[in-house]
Amino acid sequence: DAKTTQPPSMDCAEGRAANLPCNHSTISGNEYVYWYRQIHSQGPQYIIHGLKNNETNEMASLIITEDRKSSTLILPHATLRDTAVYYCIVRLPTLAGNMLTFGGGTRLMVKP
Amino acid sequence: DTGVSQNPRHKITKRGQNVTFRCDPISEHNRLYWYRQTLGQGPEFLTYFQNEAQLEKSRLLSDRFSAERPKGSFSTLEIQRTEQGDSAMYLCASSLGPSTNEKLFFGSGTQLSVL
Repeated sequence: DAKTTQPPSMDCAEGRAANLPCNHSTISGNEYVYWYRQIHSQGPQYIIHGLKNNETNEMASLIITEDRKSSTLILPHATLRDTAVYYCIVRLPTLAGNMLTFGGGTRLMVKP
Repeated sequence: DTGVSQNPRHKITKRGQNVTFRCDPISEHNRLYWYRQTLGQGPEFLTYFQNEAQLEKSRLLSDRFSAERPKGSFSTLEIQRTEQGDSAMYLCASSLGPSTNEKLFFGSGTQLSVL
């Protein structure tokens, strides 16, 4: 699985968009980008994933650059409950187990 | 609540004791994963089951650790002769697989403290 690089921490004002970057310059053609987040004292929560096209769901948007070497997770209107550690994971999806490799993530602090 | 359930939430034990954790996955999910997370680090994969078969084990899973999923439903993770280095959050996740669109649903974990 390709290695990812994320800033260790970021701040965001409540109600503003939170843009969390992830660098994955060694990503291979068939590897997907997954985002999970972990709120304090809880297990990780799936947010979104994508291959090359931009993706949007009820939680967030995922923008993947054309060369696929980086991506950005966008929380359009951050709330205090979005304060969490956000993990960017690159993985080749297989029919074998989905053993995710979590790095250090980005600790997002949403401030009032 | 139909999410992944883990018990107990907290466990304090003395070094050398055995401990057992339980995970109840989402009912229709056939895959179950165990992860370990130490303070300030991301979760690390330990092992996973598809139905009752244990298909993958990390080298982190020493011979003091054993996991079972006897009927393909709930799972237990046992640690024998606990050491202080075993202190961590033990997370369970379940999913529906195999699928290239597989998403893991995590429980809230069992926090183990070995004194």
